[in-house]
Amino acid sequence: DQQVKQNSPSLSVQEGRISILNCDYTNSMFDYFLWYKKYPAEGPTFLISISSIKDKNEDGRFTVFLNKSAKHLSLHIVPSQPGDSAVYFCAAGDFGNEKLTFGTGTRLTIIP
Amino acid sequence: DSGVTQTPKHLITATGQRVTLRCSPRSGDLSVYWYQQSLDQGLQFLIQYYNGEERAKGNILERFSAQQFPDLHSELNLSSLELGDSALYFCASSPDPGGVNYGYTFGSGTRLTVV
Repeated sequence: DQQVKQNSPSLSVQEGRISILNCDYTNSMFDYFLWYKKYPAEGPTFLISISSIKDKNEDGRFTVFLNKSAKHLSLHIVPSQPGDSAVYFCAAGDFGNEKLTFGTGTRLTIIP
Repeated sequence: DSGVTQTPKHLITATGQRVTLRCSPRSGDLSVYWYQQSLDQGLQFLIQYYNGEERAKGNILERFSAQQFPDLHSELNLSSLELGDSALYFCASSPDPGGVNYGYTFGSGTRLTVV
């Protein structure tokens, strides 16, 4: 039962353009969401998070949007840079259940 | 360097064998989480410890066990290994039990290959 889904295994974007990574979830109990970035041979690193009381959170070039009614969140990267090439994992959790549930990841490639 | 140390980085072993993966959490973090990433799969939660006590359990096989020691380092023991156990095993830590406010800090993983 995949409660967190990232339906695009890969995405290629031109440098300087916007990258949009999508994530869908099925568990309505989730009330906070995180994005992680992973380079080869390294562990995932925390990027940005959002709680269910918000619909947008911004940190520099990274913005996460949450649409609770659609059970959908997205990560926007503007402008995209070559160093953004990595695998991005969406994760979700709820305050009563302390583990995070991860999606399968989207490999983002930024084309110079 | 994330501050979470996992050893060894690579491990090759035969089917039926037993291995131990080690994790030292970031200084000050009390929670340790173990995740498994198989080929083309997401990160599957295995188990969590908080300050020495088991806190949450995920899809962890009975052949697998873990513990967290008084110095807060954790070990994941995998026994009667099968080919399908080949995967990347990540350890993560967080200051609080749920990782809500801070997210997790991951180690660089142990790549286990069972032959």
